[in-house]
Amino acid sequence: DAGVTQSPTHLIKTRGQQVTLRCSPKSGHDTVSWYQQALGQGPQFIFQYYEEEERQRGNFPDRFSGHQFPNYSSELNVNALLLGDSALYLCASSLRNYGYTFGSGTRLTVV
Amino acid sequence: KNQVEQSPQSLIILEGKNCTLQCNYTVSPFSNLRWYKQDTGRGPVSLTIMTFSENTKSNGRYTATLDADTKQSSLHITASQLSDSASYICVVSASTYNTDKLIFGTGTRLQVFP
Repeated sequence: DAGVTQSPTHLIKTRGQQVTLRCSPKSGHDTVSWYQQALGQGPQFIFQYYEEEERQRGNFPDRFSGHQFPNYSSELNVNALLLGDSALYLCASSLRNYGYTFGSGTRLTVV
Repeated sequence: KNQVEQSPQSLIILEGKNCTLQCNYTVSPFSNLRWYKQDTGRGPVSLTIMTFSENTKSNGRYTATLDADTKQSSLHITASQLSDSASYICVVSASTYNTDKLIFGTGTRLQVFP
């Protein structure tokens, strides 16, 4: 039974570029949440997707957008990258709001 | 404002010793409290989850307590091992009828030395 898988594991981008991160939820889970974790900080909630719709959103600008597919997998897109977007991006899946399981994350470095 | 505070910020102990990490929260409406272990550069891994009615839960050498009246939780690690070196994050869930929000603490960085 696969857990939450995220890809890629590491990524280096240049300021102003766009990036897409991917997440496959744990089998049986239907909800995907995305978090940004800066070095030495706790995760910050970006948004949550359920039934292919954004259900909740944290305090992140519109440069951060997402999508959920019919198979429950999800993408996080960030446009016009800034140096401050460098962080570990975590995906967590759940069955509605039960059983949050985190992936190993994608380390994004913006140079 | 929903908030989760953890102490100490960092902790160094010798292998084989016990330690206790603290978590204080002001979250409403409270749904549950979770402790996660996070290795550097990796995703958090769940250790325990407790609801309002539970006051202690164990997972091997990890024992979590919850006092819902004082809004405090602790994570006790027994007979520490080198592999326990990680960040430990307290996460409180605030739920309404159709949404669930996880409030993260900033974590306690534990280092276990031989």
